[in-house]
Amino acid sequence: GQQVMQIPQYQHVQEGEDFTTYCNSSTTLSNIQWYKQRPGGHPVFLIQLVKSGEVKKQKRLTFQFGEAKKNSSLHITATQTTDVGTYFCAGRANDYKLSFGAGTTVTVRA
Amino acid sequence: DGGITQSPKYLFRKEGQNVTLSCEQNLNHDAMYWYRQDPGQGLRLIYYSQIVNDFQKGDIAEGYSVSREKKESFPLTVTSAQKNPTAFYLCASSFDGGRTEAFFGQGTRLTVV
Repeated sequence: GQQVMQIPQYQHVQEGEDFTTYCNSSTTLSNIQWYKQRPGGHPVFLIQLVKSGEVKKQKRLTFQFGEAKKNSSLHITATQTTDVGTYFCAGRANDYKLSFGAGTTVTVRA
Repeated sequence: DGGITQSPKYLFRKEGQNVTLSCEQNLNHDAMYWYRQDPGQGLRLIYYSQIVNDFQKGDIAEGYSVSREKKESFPLTVTSAQKNPTAFYLCASSFDGGRTEAFFGQGTRLTVV
């Protein structure tokens, strides 16, 4: 069945530095979504990518969808303490099943 | 206010008892989902429903059951057959299945002792 894998599991970042988290699917995806979960909270939608090779930006966050629509990445520049949390990718193949990756938990050193 | 509501926030049960977690949404969403979250394992899909009176097993359905008798409601029952039921359970809904963003409830933390 469809599996979504995400690396790294943990990311410890110095404030001001950049980092990237990666998401890979075992099957071709119709779309990929990214969510952020703050400590003690629930996942909140960030963005959706649909087209092959698509790139979207939200301020310091850059999201990419691979050409083969089987992988995606989230790049954060100039990390701030407000970026702390767990970032999940979620993919959908051809049905309503929305599968999440294991998440990347980000901590920031001031 | 529109949204998705899970209750209760914390739930304690004795081993061997079935327990039902509530999930209600007033967003007029067709699709609803149940996920289980354990440390380091992300969100694992238990069951999902595309429409009323229809639901599908997710990746870890064993020991769980659901019903979808109303569009607004998707309760999850954790049965005594679930070997390790202590976890954080999240319910979500979306307007057009996985084609649009999913909205999550606040979650229910179930502890079985």
